[in-house]
Order: sequence, then C-alpha cells, then structure tokens
Amino acid sequence: SQQGEEDPQALSIQEGENATMNCSYKTSINNLQWYRQNSGRGLVHLILIRSNEREKHSGRLRVTLDTSKKSSSLLITASRAADTASYFCATDAGAQKLVFGQGTRLTINP
Amino acid sequence: GAGVSQSPSNKVTEKGKDVELRCDPISGHTALYWYRQSLGQGLEFLIYFQGNSAPDKSGLPSDRFSAERTGGSVSTLTIQRTQQEDSAVYLCASSPTTRPGKLFFGEGSRLTVL
Repeated sequence: SQQGEEDPQALSIQEGENATMNCSYKTSINNLQWYRQNSGRGLVHLILIRSNEREKHSGRLRVTLDTSKKSSSLLITASRAADTASYFCATDAGAQKLVFGQGTRLTINP
Repeated sequence: GAGVSQSPSNKVTEKGKDVELRCDPISGHTALYWYRQSLGQGLEFLIYFQGNSAPDKSGLPSDRFSAERTGGSVSTLTIQRTQQEDSAVYLCASSPTTRPGKLFFGEGSRLTVL
C-alpha cells in the first residue's frame, strides 16, 4: 500500500485563492517531499522538509510537517492558472527509495 | 543534456512483444530510479540503482520486468512478453545523493500495449 495519501483527491478553486493539500503517512520518516506534475509531463521537485523541521517556505509555497500526527500540508498562496497540476507527497522512510502518494489534482479557474 | 533524458517518449506495441525503455540520467548522479504511473494514479516504485551496489529490485511486478545500468550511467528497463496491464508511463529519476533527497525526473516513456 502507499505510504503517503493525499487529501483531497481533487481540488478546484478560483485564481487568487489559497490551495491547501494534505498528506498522511504511516511509518516514521527521514524527510518528506512535495512534487508537482503538469499533465503528461515528468515530476518537478518543489520542497523538502526534514523530520526535525516543522515548517518551511519557498516563494508562495508553505509546507508544514507534524510527525506526531504523521501528516504534512502544502499551502499555495495567491494561486495562479499556471499552478494547475497534480501534486504528490513523497516520503523517505529509510528504505533508500521515495514512496509517493496518489496525488491531488489541483485546478485553478481563471 | 542538462536533464534526465528518456526514450522513446511514446511506444505502442502488441501484446506479447518485448520492449526496452532507456534512461540517461544527469551526469554525475549516482542514484537512478524507475517508477511506473498508471493513468491518473500515483507512482509505483520499480527499481533503484546506487553506484556499484546491487540494485533494489523489490518493486518489479513480475519476472517479465528487468533493468540494468551500464557503467553507472545509462539504464534500460526491459519488459518481456508485454501484457495490456503493462500500459503506463514509465518514469526515470536520478539523484546525486545516496539518501533519497531531491529527485530529478525525466519526461517519461508512455507505453501502450494493444
């Protein structure tokens, strides 16, 4: 089974609004990463947060990590049409590979 | 090239045929991963190479799937006697670190088995 599970599976918002996606995982981790995938393309790394970090920012992105709840959230502020994509969380649980969730499909309506 | 290169970008084959998918990682990256992504789904881990160590093949779904990495660089994923359920996008990624830090993905090879 997947280590990470994103919620919601799909999200549709108006341009300018904030988008929040959540990721839950099952085992302890070394780090958690978020990736974006535009339709028909490869994945692009967005941000990595280590297990001893609680919050990280990168431009309009804010990631939080709660290891006690085994969950993470990705917040995209002031969304743009170009943010339309699928977003995946991936966990490093020490097995030398990243385990990806099923993803959240985000649609930004102009 | 500057990024991870995969070929072919699209492959249509008949059931029962063998296919080879190629991945050229970023120069100097010691780690190489293969993932499979079915339509609208997440990524399924297939295999991981790290330097000269024995590969982690724990994700290969059957013995019809095999992969090799020559000279610590280019990798080939081979699927023998393809089945319709093998239809998916096969993604390759590389990383400069021994721990799974940031992965750099190729654009993928879309395989369709008729």
